[in-house]
Amino acid sequence: AQSVTQPDIHITVSEGASLELRCNYSYGATPYLFWYVQSPGQGLQLLLKYFSGDTLVQGIKGFEAEFKRSQSSFNLRKPSVHWSDAAEYFCAVGAQPRGGKLIFGQGTELSVKP
Amino acid sequence: DTGVSQDPRHKITKRGQNVTFRCDPISEHNRLYWYRQTLGQGPEFLTYFQNEAQLEKSRLLSDRFSAERPKGSFSTLEIQRTEQGDSAMYLCASSFGDRVYEQYFGPGTRLTVT
Repeated sequence: AQSVTQPDIHITVSEGASLELRCNYSYGATPYLFWYVQSPGQGLQLLLKYFSGDTLVQGIKGFEAEFKRSQSSFNLRKPSVHWSDAAEYFCAVGAQPRGGKLIFGQGTELSVKP
Repeated sequence: DTGVSQDPRHKITKRGQNVTFRCDPISEHNRLYWYRQTLGQGPEFLTYFQNEAQLEKSRLLSDRFSAERPKGSFSTLEIQRTEQGDSAMYLCASSFGDRVYEQYFGPGTRLTVT
């Protein structure tokens, strides 16, 4: 069965420091992978997606992610974190072609120190 | 286009009562999804519609849950005889055409069952 693991429940980084959030997936075929961000009281916002092609994908708000098939990973990165990036981040995999069901990890809460 | 909207944003109910939530997707989005998110977890898929047809239901959707999308526009999710375990955030999302994984989420309805 497909699954997504986010090993880090909570991460704290200093403002201006770089960020990497880890995501590992379990899926037999080429996965459709996503990162979403959820701020308090807000819905989930899509940061970026990977379907195929270039394994380094760029997203909104300066985020990028790299798909590594050999490691079954899709880690999210940002070179310099801003205080407004504090939020919950979810990695997700598309469960089946054309179906649209997303399977989410349990999330990583990001705190940003001034 | 004001995005996906959900009503109400918060609902407190007593155990055993019925509740109904409404989701208005982005106009012309033909697919609509319901997810449930409990504290500290990622969203879990409940069901989805393509136009007015309900195409998939999760095993999480017990007999007490029913979802409809009668005219292929807004959707309702009803929970009968609520239980404390139903307390969660109920999220709605929509997508357009074959971009089934590019889902736009609403702010959610937070249900508290006392």
